[in-house]
Amino acid sequence: GQNIDQPTEMTATEGAIVQINCTYQTSGFNGLFWYQQHAGEAPTFLSYNVLDGLEEKGRFSSFLSRSKGYSYLLLKELQMKDSASYLCAVPLGNAGNMLTFGGGTRLMVKP
Amino acid sequence: DSGVTQTPKHLITATGQRVTLRCSPRSGDLSVYWYQQSLDQGLQFLIQYYNGEERAKGNILERFSAQQFPDLHSELNLSSLELGDSALYFCASSVRGQEGLEQFFGPGTRLTVL
Repeated sequence: GQNIDQPTEMTATEGAIVQINCTYQTSGFNGLFWYQQHAGEAPTFLSYNVLDGLEEKGRFSSFLSRSKGYSYLLLKELQMKDSASYLCAVPLGNAGNMLTFGGGTRLMVKP
Repeated sequence: DSGVTQTPKHLITATGQRVTLRCSPRSGDLSVYWYQQSLDQGLQFLIQYYNGEERAKGNILERFSAQQFPDLHSELNLSSLELGDSALYFCASSVRGQEGLEQFFGPGTRLTVL
């Protein structure tokens, strides 16, 4: 089965850097997704990692270590609009592409 | 705007009733996924369709069913509704059904069962 753990809440200051961690246990590995979700809205895609290492995309970067079952999302130059939930997800790896999501990390950015 | 549309946006109904949620995937996407998001359960995968065929099933109750039509839109039917079915229901789509493909989520349908 799949097991994904993320911190429930984090608080950071505008302009700062924050790292949101995700650990996972899967029976097979087919990559890891990060999604952003503002309250009451749809999740939106941030990143997908399938190989070890850091992938940078503007202010957001995502890191993966398959041997450690660990990923993090790094948000730089935080803005107030970054206040949202950040969801870590892995595909179940069967015939389909259904995602198992972690509980999400609610990030609050303060002025 | 992801290009995925869902109707209705809000739905309020009573226990024991039946409702149908509708989803239109992005143009060209063949695969549709349904997810349920409740406060205590997070985002849970329900079912996936690919080009009209059921591809994968998650934690979907027997009271729930879905289908994907020839024009690729999908409907999720929820029957004998219970208070605990109150949740946000999201539809997502991707070009194909394989792993590693970004899923685009619709705006969701908020279901309230009274």
